[in-house]
Amino acid sequence: SAVISQKPSRDICQRGTSLTIQCQVDSQVTMMFWYRQQPGQSLTLIATANQGSEATYESGFVIDKFPISRPNLTFSTLTVSNMSPEDSSIYLCSVLRLISYNEQFFGPGTRLTVL
Amino acid sequence: QKEVEQDPGPLSVPEGAIVSLNCTYSNSAFQYFMWYRQYSRKGPELLMYTYSSGNKEDGRFTAQVDKSSKYISLFIRDSQPSDSATYLCAIRSGNQFYFGTGTSLTVIP
Repeated sequence: SAVISQKPSRDICQRGTSLTIQCQVDSQVTMMFWYRQQPGQSLTLIATANQGSEATYESGFVIDKFPISRPNLTFSTLTVSNMSPEDSSIYLCSVLRLISYNEQFFGPGTRLTVL
Repeated sequence: QKEVEQDPGPLSVPEGAIVSLNCTYSNSAFQYFMWYRQYSRKGPELLMYTYSSGNKEDGRFTAQVDKSSKYISLFIRDSQPSDSATYLCAIRSGNQFYFGTGTSLTVIP
């Protein structure tokens, strides 16, 4: 399996500020994703992080609000910009590996609370 | 209609019971089915995945797919308190993954 770490594990932020979440994988992976998980709801895909190019965003998510970087095959960041209480959620990084395409692995998540 | 529907529970069983967790899906073309376990304040952990119809067993866990009914199940035998978690079903179609909302399971000692 892939070992994924996320920083920070949790944070409490003020409205209007921004937070950058880091995701580090222990091996090269083909695809990296960012999800949001809210209580009682299924995982919601925010975007696919593409190495060296702009991320691919899902409907309802835009680059200005959730800028994403992926400078190499093992690292990505998600920024939650101009936060509001509605952004309070768990943010999860996940990866797909080339050799095991059905196995999507998740990081431990970042629990964000916006006051 | 959602791609995947899952009863959110919560489900509470005594230790040693057989647990059945279920999902239904909408697209008969789906072929890859997965189950994740998520402990509180942790990320989802892949438990099992199956391809097409049939059963797959791994220790106390059995994943079952019934394509004719578009129904997938996870059975847990001899359930343990350590099995207490939220279980999410997931389906892969190409590069898209569709997740259920998760079923919260508590196994009471």
